[in-house]
Amino acid sequence: DAGVIQSPRHEVTEMGQEVTLRCKPISGHNSLFWYRQTMMRGLELLIYFNNNVPIDDSGMPEDRFSAKMPNASFSTLKIQPSEPRDSAVYFCASSIRLASDTQYFGPGTRLTVL
Amino acid sequence: KNQVEQSPQSLIILEGKNCTLQCNYTVSPFSNLRWYKQDTGRGPVSLTIMTFSENTKSNGRYTATLDADTKQSSLHITASQLSDSASYICVVSAAQAGTALIFGKGTTLSVSS
Repeated sequence: DAGVIQSPRHEVTEMGQEVTLRCKPISGHNSLFWYRQTMMRGLELLIYFNNNVPIDDSGMPEDRFSAKMPNASFSTLKIQPSEPRDSAVYFCASSIRLASDTQYFGPGTRLTVL
Repeated sequence: KNQVEQSPQSLIILEGKNCTLQCNYTVSPFSNLRWYKQDTGRGPVSLTIMTFSENTKSNGRYTATLDADTKQSSLHITASQLSDSASYICVVSAAQAGTALIFGKGTTLSVSS
């Protein structure tokens, strides 16, 4: 299995532009998580899905952020409009079930907003 | 307030030595505690997951302990190797609908030869 796949690996954009991050979870995993990591705040859970349904989006910083999971093999995290403070590494992770299962992380997308 | 505190913030040890990383939490109600290893530039990798009833769990040279009474966990690394140089993150899950995860800031371990 290829593991969790994220694209792009690096993204540099200008303030105000729309950014779309993509994730393909491990086949057979029913839960998907989006995280953000910065030096200042560490790792933060943004939103998670179970069986393609968003369960908790309380970690999404503001309305500029949105996430979708149209099917079991694909999810997107969109930032519109982007701001410099959104610069971070965004990770996607998946697990077989929601509760106590091991989460497998993707390699992350390093986002830089100028 | 649900919090996870890790110590030390950073640690430097010589190759072959043992070390112990600490995690204190105030998460309630408690569901499980996880330790992750994160190499520079990579995503975190799960080392152990422990529920309330588990006191110790090992994964090779990594041994995690959990004291649910004092709300403390430790990660012990035996006979450290250069490849152990990484950030170690403690994550506590609250027992509620869905899965509320509270993250520590991590301990950065550097193993030198």
